[in-house]
Amino acid sequence: DTEVTQTPKHLVMGMTNKKSLKCEQHMGHRAMYWYKQKAKKPPELMFVYSYEKLSINESVPSRFSPECPNSSLLNLHLHALQPEDSALYLCASSQKGTGSNSPLHFGNGTRLTVT
Amino acid sequence: GNSVTQMEGPVTLSEEAFLTINCTYTATGYPSLFWYVQYPGEGLQLLLKATKADDKGSNKGFEATYRKETTSFHLEKGSVQVSDSAVYFCALSDLGSNYQLIWGAGTKLIIKP
Repeated sequence: DTEVTQTPKHLVMGMTNKKSLKCEQHMGHRAMYWYKQKAKKPPELMFVYSYEKLSINESVPSRFSPECPNSSLLNLHLHALQPEDSALYLCASSQKGTGSNSPLHFGNGTRLTVT
Repeated sequence: GNSVTQMEGPVTLSEEAFLTINCTYTATGYPSLFWYVQYPGEGLQLLLKATKADDKGSNKGFEATYRKETTSFHLEKGSVQVSDSAVYFCALSDLGSNYQLIWGAGTKLIIKP
């Protein structure tokens, strides 16, 4: 079982909907990440929170809005998405903040379909 | 800039065969190297890692040795099982990429009984 929990596992939403993806870890890790993965491709980094502060935003469109309420939780708020945003969204955490080579621990992802 | 190159897949083998998945890298500094595995319908899991030249990472019968002279980190397993069928990603992190993972394209491994 993964130690990073993501909900929901699957999500179908229309282009006018607002939804949120949730991620939780209780390993005491200080950095949390959102990745987007298209089929048969490696994951693409979207956002990184380090010590609960947004440290990296990889030029992600504003229709994706991250939030880190505390050191264990990470949300990704979705609004006005496009069909090309359909993908597997992965959350990950690492023991140390950004600026270290701590391995990432991934959740099983949310499979998002935008109709 | 930093980059990782993996052999293209899919790689199809029979059960109990020997596995090699090639991975080479380009880095400006002294990277740490990783292999992650993604089983069908799941997220990625760290399989093994090496942080300096000549280190050997190992886990679940898989091994990879950090070869600085050939800038390689090839993944090997002596006898594969059907349950090893997955996509394998080689990755590096170092100061030049602000320690963010640089990924290879991934290699799909199919093991037939």
